[in-house]
Amino acid sequence: GNSVTQMEGPVTLSEEAFLTINCTYTATGYPSLFWYVQYPGEGLQLLLKATKADDKGSNKGFEATYRKETTSFHLEKGSVQVSDSAVYFCALLYGGATNKLIFGTGTLLAVQP
Amino acid sequence: DSGVTQTPKHLITATGQRVTLRCSPRSGDLSVYWYQQSLDQGLQFLIHYYNGEERAKGNILERFSAQQFPDLHSELNLSSLELGDSALYFCASSVQGSPLHFGNGTRLTVT
Repeated sequence: GNSVTQMEGPVTLSEEAFLTINCTYTATGYPSLFWYVQYPGEGLQLLLKATKADDKGSNKGFEATYRKETTSFHLEKGSVQVSDSAVYFCALLYGGATNKLIFGTGTLLAVQP
Repeated sequence: DSGVTQTPKHLITATGQRVTLRCSPRSGDLSVYWYQQSLDQGLQFLIHYYNGEERAKGNILERFSAQQFPDLHSELNLSSLELGDSALYFCASSVQGSPLHFGNGTRLTVT
């Protein structure tokens, strides 16, 4: 079936460090891929998306490239800030009638000053 | 602000009781989804409604039910509550084929 696997957290980095959070997926067909972010006490916010192979999604300095050959969608940021501390969720959307999002388990990022 | 409104923000109730969680989707969104977030299970899809009709069911217990009304708001009903039902319940809405937009959730505590 369709599923998403994320690297386990927590990931602890110093401010201005480089961030990578790995995400791989299993899916039939060609799903759309997303990263959502959840700040403490809040709901999930869409961070970026990619709808087809080789697409690069980007937002707020974060990037992820849809790699069909490796079934991956790793999240990267060149220089993290304390305000980036949150839980990051990779997700895939397979279409049809349900339009259902399947989430990974989430990765907690803690950025220290 | 995602435009999705969930009420109440917090709910504390006892085992065996019944509660109703409410969700107002973004203006124009016909789809409403319910998710449960708990520490041990992560984010679990519960159910999807589109324009008043149930479209898909996920890991939703028989004690739970939902509906979407003609004005497109949705309610999630949880009955015979157990301690393990304590979780964050999120509602999300979307236009078909577009990303989901989430509300801030209802935190349910069952004591």
